[in-house]
Amino acid sequence: AQSVTQPDIHITVSEGASLELRCNYSYGATPYLFWYVQSPGQGLQLLLKYFSGDTLVQGIKGFEAEFKRSQSSFNLRKPSVHWSDAAEYFCAVGSRTGTASKLTFGTGTRLQVTL
Amino acid sequence: DGGITQSPKYLFRKEGQNVTLSCEQNLNHDAMYWYRQDPGQGLRLIYYSQIVNDFQKGDIAEGYSVSREKKESFPLTVTSAQKNPTAFYLCASRDTGTLAKNIQYFGAGTRLSVL
Repeated sequence: AQSVTQPDIHITVSEGASLELRCNYSYGATPYLFWYVQSPGQGLQLLLKYFSGDTLVQGIKGFEAEFKRSQSSFNLRKPSVHWSDAAEYFCAVGSRTGTASKLTFGTGTRLQVTL
Repeated sequence: DGGITQSPKYLFRKEGQNVTLSCEQNLNHDAMYWYRQDPGQGLRLIYYSQIVNDFQKGDIAEGYSVSREKKESFPLTVTSAQKNPTAFYLCASRDTGTLAKNIQYFGAGTRLSVL
């Protein structure tokens, strides 16, 4: 069964500092990988996705993530955080087999940005 | 604008009462999903439907029911059998017919509380 681990429940960074959110997955082959962001009381917005090809993927709002097969990781990065980036971030893995394309989500990392 | 509309935004349930959460999409997506979100637990799949008049149980279907009579609608009923219904409920949809067919798009959610 596929699974996702986000080891950091809560992270605080200063505005302008760099950010890295960790995500490790368990899956038998190369999965589909996603990062979503959720503002309080809102739905999830897709930041970026990895399906195949270049292992460094660019997303919206200046975010990027790198797929590392050897480490089963898909960490999210941003060079300079803005106060508006404060939110909860979810990593998700999707199955390549079958047609249901079910996603398995991590438990999330809450990002706090200090001014 | 195309999107996913969940209503109501807030819902209160009395003991022994069934309540129905609405999810409507105008994206012409075939697949739709319901997730439950609890603090610190990420998102867990309740039910999903890949086509009209067909749906499957997810990981936590007990105490919930769904229907899919129309492509654009996927209502979720929280029955009195669900003893701990207080949570944030998210609906998602997915276009099965494009290259980006594994991306799920989310509504803004419904927060259900027990009176």
